Amino acid sequence: DAKTTQPNSMESNEEEPVHLPCNHSTISGTDYIHWYRQLPSQGPEYVIHGLTSNVNNRMASLAIAEDRKSSTLILHRATLRDAAVYYCILNNAGGTSYGKLTFGQGTILTVHP
Amino acid sequence: SAVISQKPSRDICQRGTSLTIQCQVDSQVTMMFWYRQQPGQSLTLIATANQGSEATYESGFVIDKFPISRPNLTFSTLTVSNMSPEDSSIYLCSVEERGWEGYTFGSGTRLTVV
Repeated sequence: DAKTTQPNSMESNEEEPVHLPCNHSTISGTDYIHWYRQLPSQGPEYVIHGLTSNVNNRMASLAIAEDRKSSTLILHRATLRDAAVYYCILNNAGGTSYGKLTFGQGTILTVHP
Repeated sequence: SAVISQKPSRDICQRGTSLTIQCQVDSQVTMMFWYRQQPGQSLTLIATANQGSEATYESGFVIDKFPISRPNLTFSTLTVSNMSPEDSSIYLCSVEERGWEGYTFGSGTRLTVV
Protein backbone atom coordinates (compact mmCIF):
# COMPACT_ATOMS: atom_id res chain seq x y z
CA ASP A 1 0.00 0.00 0.00
CA ALA A 2 1.05 3.57 -0.65
CA LYS A 3 2.34 5.52 2.31
CA THR A 4 0.55 8.30 4.21
CA THR A 5 2.04 11.18 6.17
CA GLN A 6 0.29 12.79 9.13
CA PRO A 7 1.34 15.30 11.77
CA ASN A 8 2.42 13.63 14.99
CA SER A 9 0.01 15.63 17.11
CA MET A 10 -2.65 18.31 17.05
CA GLU A 11 -4.61 20.19 19.67
CA SER A 12 -8.08 21.60 19.69
CA ASN A 13 -10.54 23.19 22.04
CA GLU A 14 -13.84 21.61 22.84
CA GLU A 15 -16.71 22.53 20.50
CA GLU A 16 -14.35 23.88 17.86
CA PRO A 17 -13.84 22.26 14.45
CA VAL A 18 -10.76 20.13 13.88
CA HIS A 19 -9.07 19.56 10.54
CA LEU A 20 -6.72 16.58 10.49
CA PRO A 21 -4.54 16.50 7.37
CA CYS A 22 -3.09 13.51 5.56
CA ASN A 23 -0.72 13.43 2.61
CA HIS A 24 -0.65 10.47 0.26
CA SER A 25 1.20 11.61 -2.83
CA THR A 26 1.77 8.08 -4.19
CA ILE A 27 -1.88 7.04 -4.01
CA SER A 28 -3.06 4.79 -6.84
CA GLY A 29 -6.37 4.99 -8.64
CA THR A 30 -7.89 2.05 -6.74
CA ASP A 31 -6.75 3.11 -3.28
CA TYR A 32 -9.52 4.04 -0.89
CA ILE A 33 -8.72 6.57 1.83
CA HIS A 34 -9.73 5.23 5.23
CA TRP A 35 -9.71 6.98 8.58
CA TYR A 36 -9.73 5.12 11.88
CA ARG A 37 -9.29 6.35 15.40
CA GLN A 38 -8.10 4.61 18.52
CA LEU A 39 -9.30 5.79 21.87
CA PRO A 40 -7.19 4.92 24.91
CA SER A 41 -7.31 1.22 25.79
CA GLN A 42 -9.57 0.37 22.87
CA GLY A 43 -9.23 -1.15 19.42
CA PRO A 44 -9.33 1.10 16.37
CA GLU A 45 -12.72 2.41 15.36
CA TYR A 46 -13.78 3.08 11.78
CA VAL A 47 -14.48 6.77 11.15
CA ILE A 48 -14.98 7.29 7.44
CA HIS A 49 -13.64 6.39 4.02
CA GLY A 50 -13.79 7.66 0.46
CA LEU A 51 -12.38 7.27 -3.00
CA THR A 52 -12.71 10.53 -4.92
CA SER A 53 -15.65 12.57 -3.68
CA ASN A 54 -16.04 14.24 -0.33
CA VAL A 55 -17.94 12.15 2.18
CA ASN A 56 -20.04 12.92 5.22
CA ASN A 57 -21.33 10.68 7.97
CA ARG A 58 -22.54 11.13 11.52
CA MET A 59 -19.03 11.14 12.91
CA ALA A 60 -17.06 13.30 10.51
CA SER A 61 -16.48 14.62 7.01
CA LEU A 62 -13.74 13.64 4.62
CA ALA A 63 -12.47 16.19 2.15
CA ILE A 64 -10.38 14.73 -0.67
CA ALA A 65 -8.18 16.93 -2.84
CA GLU A 66 -8.95 16.95 -6.53
CA ASP A 67 -5.64 15.24 -7.35
CA ARG A 68 -6.24 12.78 -4.45
CA LYS A 69 -2.77 13.36 -3.09
CA SER A 70 -4.08 14.67 0.19
CA SER A 71 -7.18 14.51 2.33
CA THR A 72 -8.54 16.11 5.46
CA LEU A 73 -10.67 14.58 8.18
CA ILE A 74 -13.02 17.17 9.63
CA LEU A 75 -14.58 16.88 13.07
CA HIS A 76 -17.17 19.62 13.07
CA ARG A 77 -17.37 20.15 16.83
CA ALA A 78 -14.71 18.44 18.88
CA THR A 79 -15.68 16.89 22.18
CA LEU A 80 -13.47 15.46 24.91
CA ARG A 81 -14.46 12.01 23.65
CA ASP A 82 -12.77 12.75 20.34
CA ALA A 83 -9.34 12.72 21.98
CA ALA A 84 -7.65 9.77 20.26
CA VAL A 85 -5.01 8.70 17.79
CA TYR A 86 -6.31 9.22 14.25
CA TYR A 87 -4.98 7.02 11.47
CA CYS A 88 -5.16 7.80 7.76
CA ILE A 89 -4.79 4.56 5.79
CA LEU A 90 -4.87 3.70 2.10
CA ASN A 91 -6.54 0.42 1.20
CA ASN A 92 -6.45 -1.02 -2.29
CA ALA A 93 -9.90 -2.32 -3.14
CA GLY A 94 -8.79 -4.70 -5.82
CA GLY A 95 -5.28 -5.70 -4.92
CA THR A 96 -3.78 -8.57 -2.97
CA SER A 97 -3.39 -6.25 -0.02
CA TYR A 98 -7.14 -5.76 0.26
CA GLY A 99 -8.18 -5.76 3.88
CA LYS A 100 -4.63 -5.54 5.13
CA LEU A 101 -4.56 -2.18 6.79
CA THR A 102 -1.11 -0.64 7.16
CA PHE A 103 -1.15 1.64 10.18
CA GLY A 104 1.30 4.51 10.44
CA GLN A 105 1.95 6.40 13.66
CA GLY A 106 -1.16 8.53 13.24
CA THR A 107 -2.01 11.92 14.73
CA ILE A 108 -2.55 12.24 18.46
CA LEU A 109 -5.47 14.63 18.93
CA THR A 110 -5.73 16.41 22.26
CA VAL A 111 -8.98 18.21 23.03
CA HIS A 112 -8.94 20.89 25.71
CA PRO A 113 -12.04 21.72 27.77
CA SER B 1 -21.35 -3.32 11.90
CA ALA B 2 -20.33 -6.58 13.48
CA VAL B 3 -19.67 -6.95 17.18
CA ILE B 4 -16.46 -8.69 18.17
CA SER B 5 -15.77 -10.38 21.48
CA GLN B 6 -12.15 -11.10 22.31
CA LYS B 7 -11.03 -13.31 25.17
CA PRO B 8 -9.16 -12.96 27.40
CA SER B 9 -9.10 -9.20 27.68
CA ARG B 10 -5.76 -9.38 29.46
CA ASP B 11 -3.37 -11.96 30.84
CA ILE B 12 -0.02 -12.25 32.53
CA CYS B 13 1.93 -15.31 31.43
CA GLN B 14 5.19 -16.99 32.24
CA ARG B 15 7.88 -17.08 29.60
CA GLY B 16 8.02 -20.33 27.66
CA THR B 17 4.28 -20.93 27.89
CA SER B 18 1.60 -20.39 25.24
CA LEU B 19 -1.62 -18.40 25.23
CA THR B 20 -4.60 -18.84 22.94
CA ILE B 21 -6.69 -15.76 22.18
CA GLN B 22 -10.25 -16.16 20.96
CA CYS B 23 -12.14 -13.89 18.59
CA GLN B 24 -15.91 -14.38 18.31
CA VAL B 25 -18.02 -12.38 15.84
CA ASP B 26 -21.79 -12.00 16.02
CA SER B 27 -22.21 -12.47 12.26
CA GLN B 28 -20.61 -14.51 9.52
CA VAL B 29 -17.59 -12.86 7.99
CA THR B 30 -15.26 -13.97 5.25
CA MET B 31 -12.04 -12.31 6.23
CA MET B 32 -10.55 -12.07 9.70
CA PHE B 33 -7.27 -10.41 10.57
CA TRP B 34 -4.95 -10.55 13.55
CA TYR B 35 -2.85 -7.53 14.54
CA ARG B 36 -0.23 -6.84 17.16
CA GLN B 37 0.31 -3.50 18.89
CA GLN B 38 3.54 -3.31 20.82
CA PRO B 39 3.79 -0.82 23.71
CA GLY B 40 3.63 2.75 22.44
CA GLN B 41 3.52 1.61 18.83
CA SER B 42 1.01 1.41 16.03
CA LEU B 43 -0.70 -1.76 14.82
CA THR B 44 1.08 -4.36 12.70
CA LEU B 45 -0.76 -7.06 10.77
CA ILE B 46 0.22 -10.59 11.80
CA ALA B 47 -1.91 -12.68 9.46
CA THR B 48 -5.12 -13.04 7.51
CA ALA B 49 -7.42 -15.94 8.41
CA ASN B 50 -10.02 -17.13 5.93
CA GLN B 51 -12.32 -20.02 6.70
CA GLY B 52 -11.36 -23.24 5.01
CA SER B 53 -7.79 -22.29 4.16
CA GLU B 54 -4.44 -21.83 5.83
CA ALA B 55 -3.77 -18.45 7.34
CA THR B 56 -1.55 -16.10 5.36
CA TYR B 57 1.25 -14.59 7.43
CA GLU B 58 2.95 -11.24 6.94
CA SER B 59 6.69 -10.84 6.74
CA GLY B 60 8.28 -11.38 10.14
CA PHE B 61 5.54 -13.63 11.47
CA VAL B 62 5.56 -17.43 11.24
CA ILE B 63 3.02 -20.14 11.83
CA ASP B 64 5.10 -21.96 14.44
CA LYS B 65 5.10 -18.87 16.64
CA PHE B 66 1.56 -17.65 15.91
CA PRO B 67 -0.63 -20.60 14.87
CA ILE B 68 -4.12 -19.54 13.83
CA SER B 69 -7.33 -21.51 13.55
CA ARG B 70 -10.47 -20.50 11.64
CA PRO B 71 -12.97 -23.32 12.10
CA ASN B 72 -16.03 -21.38 10.91
CA LEU B 73 -17.23 -18.00 9.68
CA THR B 74 -17.72 -16.49 13.16
CA PHE B 75 -14.69 -17.65 15.12
CA SER B 76 -10.89 -17.62 15.09
CA THR B 77 -8.06 -18.19 17.52
CA LEU B 78 -4.50 -16.91 17.65
CA THR B 79 -1.95 -18.72 19.77
CA VAL B 80 1.21 -16.99 20.94
CA SER B 81 3.65 -19.84 21.44
CA ASN B 82 6.77 -20.21 23.59
CA MET B 83 6.36 -16.68 24.85
CA SER B 84 9.13 -14.29 25.77
CA PRO B 85 8.89 -10.78 27.27
CA GLU B 86 9.21 -9.39 23.71
CA ASP B 87 5.75 -10.82 23.00
CA SER B 88 4.19 -8.46 25.52
CA SER B 89 1.73 -6.55 23.36
CA ILE B 90 -1.92 -5.98 22.64
CA TYR B 91 -3.30 -8.50 20.16
CA LEU B 92 -6.39 -7.50 18.19
CA CYS B 93 -8.64 -9.24 15.74
CA SER B 94 -10.45 -7.45 12.96
CA VAL B 95 -13.11 -8.43 10.45
CA GLU B 96 -14.27 -7.31 7.04
CA GLU B 97 -17.96 -7.60 6.45
CA ARG B 98 -19.96 -7.96 3.30
CA GLY B 99 -21.80 -4.76 2.55
CA TRP B 100 -19.78 -2.77 5.08
CA GLU B 101 -16.66 -1.24 3.67
CA GLY B 102 -14.96 -0.48 6.94
CA TYR B 103 -13.18 -2.92 9.20
CA THR B 104 -14.30 -3.66 12.73
CA PHE B 105 -11.82 -4.32 15.52
CA GLY B 106 -12.08 -6.15 18.78
CA SER B 107 -11.05 -4.40 21.97
CA GLY B 108 -7.87 -6.42 22.12
CA THR B 109 -6.04 -8.79 24.46
CA ARG B 110 -3.35 -7.16 26.58
CA LEU B 111 -0.61 -9.74 27.09
CA THR B 112 2.24 -9.36 29.56
CA VAL B 113 4.99 -11.98 29.60
CA VAL B 114 7.12 -12.19 32.73
